[in-house]
Amino acid sequence: KQEVTQIPAALSVPEGENLVLNCSFTDSAIYNLQWFRQDPGKGLTSLLLIQSSQREQTSGRLNASLDKSSGRSTLYIAASQPGDSATYLCAVIMNSGYSTLTFGKGTMLLVSP
Amino acid sequence: ETGVTQSPTHLIKTRGQQVTLRCSSQSGHNTVSWYQQALGQGPQFIFQYYREEENGRGNFPPRFSGLQFPNYSSELNVNALELDDSALYLCASSLAGLSGNTIYFGEGSWLTVV
Repeated sequence: KQEVTQIPAALSVPEGENLVLNCSFTDSAIYNLQWFRQDPGKGLTSLLLIQSSQREQTSGRLNASLDKSSGRSTLYIAASQPGDSATYLCAVIMNSGYSTLTFGKGTMLLVSP
Repeated sequence: ETGVTQSPTHLIKTRGQQVTLRCSSQSGHNTVSWYQQALGQGPQFIFQYYREEENGRGNFPPRFSGLQFPNYSSELNVNALELDDSALYLCASSLAGLSGNTIYFGEGSWLTVV
């Protein structure tokens, strides 16, 4: 059974810092990995999708890497801003024809001005 | 704005009652999945519908059931509500067979069981 773990569970940083969120998964036979953002009481917004054959994806100040063999992914946020405050969730898909996501519990990020 | 809409946004039910939650998927998406997210937890997969048929189910009892309609919209029904059913229920839409595509979520329905 696939298990996804995210470390740290919570993170508080001052504005402007670069930061790294970590995600690990127990079964490396994933099809792809997706990072989501969730604001309090809201739904999920997709940030980045990495196919299993890819090593990284970038969108603006966000960069996600994937090391499938070691079961790890990182989300790098450059020059953090207060608007980045949210919970960040990592999720994997195991089967190419069956789009079921297995999620971690998330990292709650607070960026203070 | 993902194009996935859910209703109602918030509701309160009494233990033992039944509830129906609704979801309209993103245009062109033929697959709808439902997830339950308890406070402080990641979302948990409930089930998935493709072309009106359930084609996958997570570890949830039979009192959680669903439907998908010809226009690919979907309903989640929960019977005999329990206190532990209190959670955010999320609907996600995607295009079947193309798991390389991003999955889009709605804003969710907050269910409180008292």
